Amino acid sequence: DVKVTQSSRYLVKRTGEKVFLECVQDMDHENMFWYRQDPGLGLRLIYFSYDVKMKEKGDIPEGYSVSREKKERFSLILESASTNQTSMYLCASSLYRGRGGNTEAFFGQGTRLTVV
Amino acid sequence: DQQVKQNSPSLSVQEGRISILNCDYTNSMFDYFLWYKKYPAEGPTFLISISSIKDKNEDGRFTVFLNKSAKHLSLHIVPSQPGDSAVYFCAASPIIQGAQKLVFGQGTRLTINP
Repeated sequence: DVKVTQSSRYLVKRTGEKVFLECVQDMDHENMFWYRQDPGLGLRLIYFSYDVKMKEKGDIPEGYSVSREKKERFSLILESASTNQTSMYLCASSLYRGRGGNTEAFFGQGTRLTVV
Repeated sequence: DQQVKQNSPSLSVQEGRISILNCDYTNSMFDYFLWYKKYPAEGPTFLISISSIKDKNEDGRFTVFLNKSAKHLSLHIVPSQPGDSAVYFCAASPIIQGAQKLVFGQGTRLTINP
């Protein structure tokens, strides 16, 4: 059974704090992604990674960074949390497309982050 | 610049009838399309996909149709059931090397009425 696990379901942080969101997948997937979901805006891609230590900016990378030191783990870092980063954060993983053709991305359960 | 658009924020359908969710895209480099379903406080779950070499894909009660010339796809659910009430996201993937990046629409909230 495929699994993407995010470390926290709910988090409350103060403005200016450094925040770490952790994600682990057990499917040996090459690709990992961080999205945020906001009402009326759908899912927007923050960063993605297609290999260990590799990272690519998504559509809204400002204010975020990522780390991928191991294949199974992809961390999202909010360098200095702000109230406009209050959102639902979703991690996902997928097989490298060249390996098996088209494959879907599998999502974690999400982290609801509130910055006060 | 919204490359994938779901223009209906919400849809209400009677139980047993057909639900039709629509999605439009602008990027002609998209070659793989997916639908996801999302319940509150959960991550999205994959429903069905279609490659650009096809115009229809069916899986049980779910059928996805792709019209490449119109850059339009739709998800048909028949018959609709109360458990289908959720937010549905359309997603598209471009032809690129490396990561299969998914671009999502804004979502459509489907409500199935008994």
